[in-house]
Amino acid sequence: AQKVTQAQTEISVVEKEDVTLDCVYETRDTTYYLFWYKQPPSGELVFLIRRNSFDEQNEISGRYSWNFQKSTSSFNFTITASQVVDSAVYFCALTADTGKLIFGQGTTLQVKP
Amino acid sequence: NAGVMQNPRHLVRRRGQEARLRCSPMKGHSHVYWYRQLPEEGLKFMVYLQKENIIDESGMPKERFSAEFPKEGPSILRIQQVVRGDSAAYFCASSPDPGQGFSGELFFGEGSRLTVL
Repeated sequence: AQKVTQAQTEISVVEKEDVTLDCVYETRDTTYYLFWYKQPPSGELVFLIRRNSFDEQNEISGRYSWNFQKSTSSFNFTITASQVVDSAVYFCALTADTGKLIFGQGTTLQVKP
Repeated sequence: NAGVMQNPRHLVRRRGQEARLRCSPMKGHSHVYWYRQLPEEGLKFMVYLQKENIIDESGMPKERFSAEFPKEGPSILRIQQVVRGDSAAYFCASSPDPGQGFSGELFFGEGSRLTVL
């Protein structure tokens, strides 16, 4: 069975701090995809990144970076120099072969000015 | 180049009424997924459809809920005799035909928020 665990329910930081959101997954599939989504207070889902299981290269996009480690089944997300606009719920998700995603419970990030 | 379109964005129903939520996939996408997000929770898969065919409905409640994706027109998620516990955000996503294998390409709509009074 597939499972995604986001152990951090809520994180609160002060603006300009770096913050890492953890994501640990379980799957028996050798081919799979991992996703991160942002859900701001307005409620829509904003796609951040997709990574397939064969690509373990870390990725950086502006202040965002992702660390994918198959050895520990983790796909962590770091925001550097956080800003108030980063306040949102962040979801990690997993799928093997279709758009049927297994989502984690989400991490609520609050960035205080 | 429209994305996944969901309507209505907000829907209010009284207990016992019916709710119909619509989803038009991205152009060129033939597969649709519905998810439900209960308050303060993550998204849960409900059903996976392609045109005129339900592929996987393992996440659908056994009663009152149904989904379709007709040959013409949007996909529809129908909830009969709504109860307060149905209040949630319902998200639709679409993908191209997996063909030789899923590519990971998946796009979500902005969601429909159902409130049952």
